[in-house]
Amino acid sequence: KNQVEQSPQSLIILEGKNCTLQCNYTVSPFSNLRWYKQDTGRGPVSLTIMTFSENTKSNGRYTATLDADTKQSSLHITASQLSDSASYICVVSSSGAGSYQLTFGKGTKLSVIP
Amino acid sequence: NAGVTQTPKFRVLKTGQSMTLLCAQDMNHEYMYWYRQDPGMGLRLIHYSVGEGTTAKGEVPDGYNVSRLKKQNFLLGLESAAPSQTSVYFCASREDQSTEAFFGQGTRLTVV
Repeated sequence: KNQVEQSPQSLIILEGKNCTLQCNYTVSPFSNLRWYKQDTGRGPVSLTIMTFSENTKSNGRYTATLDADTKQSSLHITASQLSDSASYICVVSSSGAGSYQLTFGKGTKLSVIP
Repeated sequence: NAGVTQTPKFRVLKTGQSMTLLCAQDMNHEYMYWYRQDPGMGLRLIHYSVGEGTTAKGEVPDGYNVSRLKKQNFLLGLESAAPSQTSVYFCASREDQSTEAFFGQGTRLTVV
């Protein structure tokens, strides 16, 4: 069964500090992995995509990494801002025939405090 | 460009009542999905569609029905609402298996 596990479940950090969120997956065959940001009361929005051949990708203060061998990804947030407070969801797509579904992690709830 | 639009945003139902949630996308996407999101559970797939006129069951389909009569619309129906269906419902669409999924803003449903 395809699964995505995220850690930690929740995290509180001071404004300006850095943090790293983790994602482990057992989805096969693997197509890509996306990190989504979900603000309270809103739908998830994609932050970055990682394909099999990519190790690191940055989007502003967000940097995602992927280790396809160990099936792990991380999302690093630099110089956190109050607006970074949200849930971050790791989502993996499969490339197998008939694989129309996405596999979601339960998310990490990040709270950035002044 | 509206993206994915869900109607309504909020609804309160009495047990046993029926209702339909509408999802509309203007990106000509083939794949559409209905999810429910409950505290501590993450997003769980209810039903999905890979094209006009096709639907399939997801992880938690019981108590729900769907229809995709037009490519741009995906309807989620509750025939006889139960308190266990109190949740936030999200619709999503994407072009194909490898592309980004776009989500609606959600529908908060309370069944009393």
